[in-house]
Amino acid sequence: AQTVTQSQPEMSVQEAETVTLSCTYDTSESNYYLFWYKQPPSRQMILVIRQEAYKQQNATENRFSVNFQKAAKSFSLKISDSQLGDTAMYFCAFMIGGNTPLVFGKGTRLSVIA
Amino acid sequence: DAMVIQNPRYQVTQFGKPVTLSCSQTLNHNVMYWYQQKSSQAPKLLFHYYDKDFNNEADTPDNFQSRRPNTSFCFLDIRSPGLGDAAMYLCATSRGGGRGYTFGSGTRLTVV
Repeated sequence: AQTVTQSQPEMSVQEAETVTLSCTYDTSESNYYLFWYKQPPSRQMILVIRQEAYKQQNATENRFSVNFQKAAKSFSLKISDSQLGDTAMYFCAFMIGGNTPLVFGKGTRLSVIA
Repeated sequence: DAMVIQNPRYQVTQFGKPVTLSCSQTLNHNVMYWYQQKSSQAPKLLFHYYDKDFNNEADTPDNFQSRRPNTSFCFLDIRSPGLGDAAMYLCATSRGGGRGYTFGSGTRLTVV
């Protein structure tokens, strides 16, 4: 069974600073997909970034980037130039592919402080 | 805009009184999911449909059922809600193939 571990229940960062959220996963599959989702307080969960395991290049989306280390089964999210609107719960998630469901980590609550 | 819509946004039901939560999508995605999310926890998968093929998670209580009458709509029925069923219920859709999900805004269920 696949598992996703987020070891940081809560983090905080000063506005305009950079923060890195950690995620590790366990699988025996060689091909899979990894995601970071953002869930602001009382708001919809939205996709932040997606990584395909067979691609060595780390995915980036504007201020968001990942450090994907396949051998270490690590998938961290870096948020640059943090903004107050980045305050949210962040979930790391894993999917084998096809139509298999996402498996979520327990989340990291990020607070951006002015 | 194409989206996933959940109704109602907030639902209060009495202990033991059946309740139905609804989800609709305009994305024409063939896969739909229902997740239960309790406070400060990860979403937990209850069911998913690939087209009309229904997939029930092994640990989903029998109290929970689902219907998908067509591509656009999916319903979550809770036959006899208990206090422990109070949670946020998230509907999500996907085209499959390792793509991400599109989530609805969720329905927050309160059981009194």
